Amino acid sequence: EPEVTQTPSHQVTQMGQEVILRCVPISNHLYFYWYRQILGQKVEFLVSFYNNEISEKSEIFDDQFSVERPDGSNFTLKIRSTKLEDSAMYFCASSERTGGIRKLFFGSGTQLSVL
Amino acid sequence: DQQVKQNSPSLSVQEGRISILNCDYTNSMFDYFLWYKKYPAEGPTFLISISSIKDKNEDGRFTVFLNKSAKHLSLHIVPSQPGDSAVYFCAASVGSGGSNYKLTFGKGTLLTVNP
Repeated sequence: EPEVTQTPSHQVTQMGQEVILRCVPISNHLYFYWYRQILGQKVEFLVSFYNNEISEKSEIFDDQFSVERPDGSNFTLKIRSTKLEDSAMYFCASSERTGGIRKLFFGSGTQLSVL
Repeated sequence: DQQVKQNSPSLSVQEGRISILNCDYTNSMFDYFLWYKKYPAEGPTFLISISSIKDKNEDGRFTVFLNKSAKHLSLHIVPSQPGDSAVYFCAASVGSGGSNYKLTFGKGTLLTVNP
């Protein structure tokens, strides 16, 4: 079964450093998302991306965050200057609309630790 | 702002018995509901979904019931198996007309199925 792949699985960085989290969505999907889950909290929406532009973003997704689809297969999340509170599991997801079924497929996540 | 609520953080059942996981929502614009299962260090995995035009959807051992007037849905697992032990997330989305199918998640319920 096709799957969403994320790299790296773990990323440790110093506060203030830039990080790029990478994702390869399922190949025929058109909608792409980033979510995050801080330890012990719920999975939170960050941003959705469709037709090469952001379609919606949450209040968490401030100027320090950006997304890009640099080629036909990768979807990246960049955090320009990481803060301690950015430590979380980041999930990439993708979806297609098929006959009214709107389900997201999630990757295994990147655990980001900001020290 | 908890638009999707799972009020039971945990549930423990015996193998072979029924597991019932509950979810309430407040946003009447939600028209599509999903249940995801999540194991530690993995991404959420789609389990079953239901459109707001239905009140029941069944897939093998899993059945989701939707009560729109009460803004309540439930997931029934019969019979429960030890491999079902995981965190179960309820999620909901609004049909936004094609650019975004973002999900709003509940906090999750940890299901433990005892042999």
